[in-house]
Amino acid sequence: DVKVTQSSRYLVKRTGEKVFLECVQDMDHENMFWYRQDPGLGLRLIYFSYDVKMKEKGDIPEGYSVSREKKERFSLILESASTNQTSMYLCASRVVSNSPLHFGNGTRLTVT
Amino acid sequence: ELKVEQNPLFLSMQEGKNYTIYCNYSTTSDRLYWYRQDPGKSLESLFVLLSNGAVKQEGRLMASLDTKARLSTLHITAAVHDLSATYFCAVVNGADKLIFGTGTRLQVFP
Repeated sequence: DVKVTQSSRYLVKRTGEKVFLECVQDMDHENMFWYRQDPGLGLRLIYFSYDVKMKEKGDIPEGYSVSREKKERFSLILESASTNQTSMYLCASRVVSNSPLHFGNGTRLTVT
Repeated sequence: ELKVEQNPLFLSMQEGKNYTIYCNYSTTSDRLYWYRQDPGKSLESLFVLLSNGAVKQEGRLMASLDTKARLSTLHITAAVHDLSATYFCAVVNGADKLIFGTGTRLQVFP
């Protein structure tokens, strides 16, 4: 089974802090994604990556950046956390374009 | 810009009953996915629909895709409590990005 592991289940950070959310997948998947999930809004795509060192903006990239130095790891960075970034963050990966996404368990981030 | 709408947003149904969740999308796409999310858990892939007329079934759930109507349905047959969850459809846009609907929260009661 594909395993997508997010390093933290819960995080509490202060406004202005730099926050790193880590995601690792163990199935050699090319594509990796970061979504945020908010009640009533479903999942919204923040950034995605088709390969190492590659990154593409999703629908809501403002306030975020990403890093993909190794194929198995995709990091989401909040440069200066704000309260409106309080959310559930979900990482996902897939092997090829037509295949379904495999999701991690999510990181619930609270910014105070 | 691709928009994906699901309805209903919330569905409370009695065990043994049938019902359908609808997923409409605004621009052409030939790939659609259904996911399930249990409370406090992540999303689990249910179905992948890759062509017009595609139909997939697993247990009491059946999904179909009509690309001409830009519509997918998730039909629940003889609901049981274990099906209580939130169901999401997701559609691939022209840039190969997966756009999710807002989800349908299903509650099955005795």
